[in-house]
Amino acid sequence: NAGVTQTPKFQVLKTGQSMTLQCAQDMNHNSMYWYRQDPGMGLRLIYYSASEGTTDKGEVPNGYNVSRLNKREFSLRLESAAPSQTSVYFCASSRPAGGASDTQYFGPGTRLTVL
Amino acid sequence: KQEVTQIPAALSVPEGENLVLNCSFTDSAIYNLQWFRQDPGKGLTSLLLIQSSQREQTSGRLNASLDKSSGRSTLYIAASQPGDSATYLCAVTPGTASKLTFGTGTRLQVTL
Repeated sequence: NAGVTQTPKFQVLKTGQSMTLQCAQDMNHNSMYWYRQDPGMGLRLIYYSASEGTTDKGEVPNGYNVSRLNKREFSLRLESAAPSQTSVYFCASSRPAGGASDTQYFGPGTRLTVL
Repeated sequence: KQEVTQIPAALSVPEGENLVLNCSFTDSAIYNLQWFRQDPGKGLTSLLLIQSSQREQTSGRLNASLDKSSGRSTLYIAASQPGDSATYLCAVTPGTASKLTFGTGTRLQVTL
């Protein structure tokens, strides 16, 4: 039982390059999330998917797109990377009770540097 | 907009001491509150989840309390150990949406 896995663990991009961060969970959770963590700012929600086939914007969605490929996988895409997107990215999943979140389980993170 | 504050930002205590970490939030209309632990360079691990109807939750040496009306939660760690050294984050879930708002965390160091 791997929980939440993320690839890659580290990535360096040049400004303007694109890339996709991959996330998968094997806990049969309905909801999945993408956060970024920056020093002094805590974790901020980028996008989330309450269930397969749905996605919604979080607090800081600009510059990102997401795809809920199936119940297990939720990817985050940077179309044209900018230095402001240098951050640590975390994927999480939960099995929501009703309309609100249950305990969230986090992946190990992807450290992204944009030069 | 919900804001979550954690004070202090950093704390150093000797091994064996009991300690309290504080979390405050501006909007009391929450569904639940969670405490997480984050080790350096790692993801977050959920420690305790308190539903809005509950006053506290306990797990081993950890006890979390919630006072929703005053917008406060505390995490009590008994008999601290060097292995407790980590950053502790609290997060709240709004009443109607499935997403968390995090505080910036308290970095705890337990010394020998």
